[in-house]
Amino acid sequence: AQSVTQLGSHVSVSEGALVLLRCNYSSSVPPYLFWYVQYPNQGLQLLLKYTSAATLVKGINGFEAEFKKSETSFHLTKPSAHMSDAAEYFCAVSERVLTGGGNKLTFGTGTQLKVEL
Amino acid sequence: EPEVTQTPSHQVTQMGQEVILRCVPISNHLYFYWYRQILGQKVEFLVSFYNNEISEKSEIFDDQFSVERPDGSNFTLKIRSTKLEDSAMYFCASRLPGAASYEQYFGPGTRLTVT
Repeated sequence: AQSVTQLGSHVSVSEGALVLLRCNYSSSVPPYLFWYVQYPNQGLQLLLKYTSAATLVKGINGFEAEFKKSETSFHLTKPSAHMSDAAEYFCAVSERVLTGGGNKLTFGTGTQLKVEL
Repeated sequence: EPEVTQTPSHQVTQMGQEVILRCVPISNHLYFYWYRQILGQKVEFLVSFYNNEISEKSEIFDDQFSVERPDGSNFTLKIRSTKLEDSAMYFCASRLPGAASYEQYFGPGTRLTVT
C-alpha cells in the first residue's frame, strides 16, 4: 500500500523568500512521485515528477524537488516565492508497476501556500 | 495545448437522483481515471479504465458507481442514486499509453452538490 504525508496544511512566506513544502511517502515498491499545483477553480497541473532518472528534479515555474530514499521524502522547494505561486500543492505517489492501466495516484492532503508582500 | 475537459462545472441534484458526469480526455490518451475531493479532504482515487474495462477501483467505487466510454471521445461517471456524502469535486484524468511514469492530465473538475 502507498501513502503520502504532507506536513503543514498551510504555509505562509514572504515574496522573495524560500518556499519549502514537505512530502513524505510510503510505498512497498519503488515509487514514482509527483507534485501537482491547483489554482482556484482549476484542475490539477503537474509541477514535476520523479521517475528515477535523477534525484533532483526540476519543474515548471522555478520549482524543484529532491528525492531522498533514506528519508522517504520528496520535498518541494523554490528559491524565491512570487505572488503568483499562491495555490494549493499536492504531493502524489504512484507505484512503479505497469498494471495494465492502473497506476493510480495516491495524494497527500495538500498544502495551501500563501505569499505575502 | 490539448486539455481534459469536464461538464458540467457544477451539478446540483437531490438525494436519490442519478447523475452523469462527463469528461473528454486528451485524444491520444488511452488510460482514464476518476478521482474525487470532498471539501477539505484529500484527492481520492475512484477508478481507472483501460481498453474498455475497469482496471482498478477503490473501496469508494461501489455498485452505485459506473463508468463508460460510450464513444471515441467521452468518458462518463454515473452515480445511480446519489447520497449526501457524494457531494464533492470530481476530477477526470487521462494519460498516454506506455510507461507508468507518464503524467496524468487532470480536467478542471465537476462540483457535485447533493441536497
